[in-house]
Amino acid sequence: SQTIHQWPATLVQPVGSPLSLECTVEGTSNPNLYWYRQAAGRGLQLLFYSVGIGQISSEVPQNLSASRPQDRQFILSSKKLLLSDSGFYLCAWSSTGAPPNTEAFFGQGTRLTVV
Amino acid sequence: AQKVTQAQTEISVVEKEDVTLDCVYETRDTTYYLFWYKQPPSGELVFLIRRNSFDEQNEISGRYSWNFQKSTSSFNFTITASQVVDSAVYFCALADSWGKLQFGAGTQVVVTP
Repeated sequence: SQTIHQWPATLVQPVGSPLSLECTVEGTSNPNLYWYRQAAGRGLQLLFYSVGIGQISSEVPQNLSASRPQDRQFILSSKKLLLSDSGFYLCAWSSTGAPPNTEAFFGQGTRLTVV
Repeated sequence: AQKVTQAQTEISVVEKEDVTLDCVYETRDTTYYLFWYKQPPSGELVFLIRRNSFDEQNEISGRYSWNFQKSTSSFNFTITASQVVDSAVYFCALADSWGKLQFGAGTQVVVTP
């Protein structure tokens, strides 16, 4: 069966420090991968998605970047964190191909607080 | 542009009452995909249901049921005989052809004993 792992679960970082959140998927090949952010107040916003190794699409301009160095690994990074980067970050995967004939499955999330 | 509206911010019910969550969507696509997810206090998003635009059959799964109406662009969700464990935030979402999800703002359901 497929599983998705995301870590760390919680993170407190000072403003201006770097960030690296990692997400890995097991049990499937060539998944579509996504990073979402949930700011205070509940709304979920898509940040990045990837349909293959090295293929990253950004949905919103921001202080963050994403990379996919391996087929089932998705990394969210920042060189210098801002206070506004605080939030709950969720990684997700879905089966490859379009249209999306399967649902997206989400990781446990990382709660990031920038102080 | 795609849009999902969940007008209800919070719904409070007493255990065993039914609760219906509204979801209205906008899309220019003729083929699209709708989802409901549950977010318990732990934060993880739990998939509940997927519905394709060409399948208007309503669905029942245990105490959960969904009413999809293309004519009104609505995909409503009903919990019958609610339980305390149903307390969570529920999100309606619309996917494009790449699987990118546009979420509604979510509805907080509070079930008290």
